[in-house]
Amino acid sequence: AQSVAQPEDQVNVAEGNPLTVKCTYSVSGNPYLFWYVQYPNRGLQFLLKYITGDNLVKGSYGFEAEFNKSQTSFHLKKPSALVSDSALYFCAVRVPDFGSSNTGKLIFGQGTTLQVKP
Amino acid sequence: GAVVSQHPSRVICKSGTSVKIECRSLDFQATTMFWYRQFPKKSLMLMATSNEGSKATYEQGVEKDKFLINHASLTLSTLTVTSAHPEDSSFYICSAREFFKGVPSPLHFGNGTRLTVT
Repeated sequence: AQSVAQPEDQVNVAEGNPLTVKCTYSVSGNPYLFWYVQYPNRGLQFLLKYITGDNLVKGSYGFEAEFNKSQTSFHLKKPSALVSDSALYFCAVRVPDFGSSNTGKLIFGQGTTLQVKP
Repeated sequence: GAVVSQHPSRVICKSGTSVKIECRSLDFQATTMFWYRQFPKKSLMLMATSNEGSKATYEQGVEKDKFLINHASLTLSTLTVTSAHPEDSSFYICSAREFFKGVPSPLHFGNGTRLTVT
C-alpha cells in the first residue's frame, strides 16, 4: 500500500537558520512527489514537485527538496528560514497514471507544523 | 496560475439540515476534482474523486449517501452533506487538476469550507 510519513509533528527553527522538514514514502513503482503548504483556515498551496530528472528540485519561496531513492525520502529544505514560513507543510505522493484519464489520487503525510521564531 | 474557488468559506447549520459546498475551477477545465476532509489533528483524508459527467468514486468508509457529489461540468463540482450531524463538523477542502497535460500536474486547492453543525 502507498503511504507517506512525516515523522515530525512540529519543527522549530530560528529565523535565518536552515530548515528541513522530513518526508519518507512507500509506493510501488516510480513515485511522483509533492510538497504543499497550508496557512490557517486556508487550502493548500503547491510548493514543488519531483517527477523525474534532477534529484534536487527547486520550488516556490526559496524552498527546495531532495529526492533520495535509496532512502525513499523527499525532505523539504530552505537555506534561511523566515518567520513568514511558519505554516503547516504536507508531503504527498501520487502513483503514476497509466491511462489517459489523468486522475491519480494524492496520498498525504500527516503534516508538519513549521514554527520559525524571530 | 490556476485558481480553485470554494464557497462558502464558513457555514453553520443545524443538525438534520443539508449543506452544499461548491468548488469551481476559475481559469481551467478540471475533469477530475477531489474532496478532502481535514481533521483537527491536521491530517487530510481523501473522501472521493469526482469525475465530470460520471459518478464519484468514494474512498472506503465514506458514506456516499451522506456526502453527495455532483460534477456537472468541467468547472464545477459540489459536495452536499445531507442530514448533517455535529460529527460532520470539519474543514472540507476541494482540489482540481487541470485537464490532461501530458505530465502529472499538481493539484490546485480551494480555500476550504469550515462546517459547523450545531
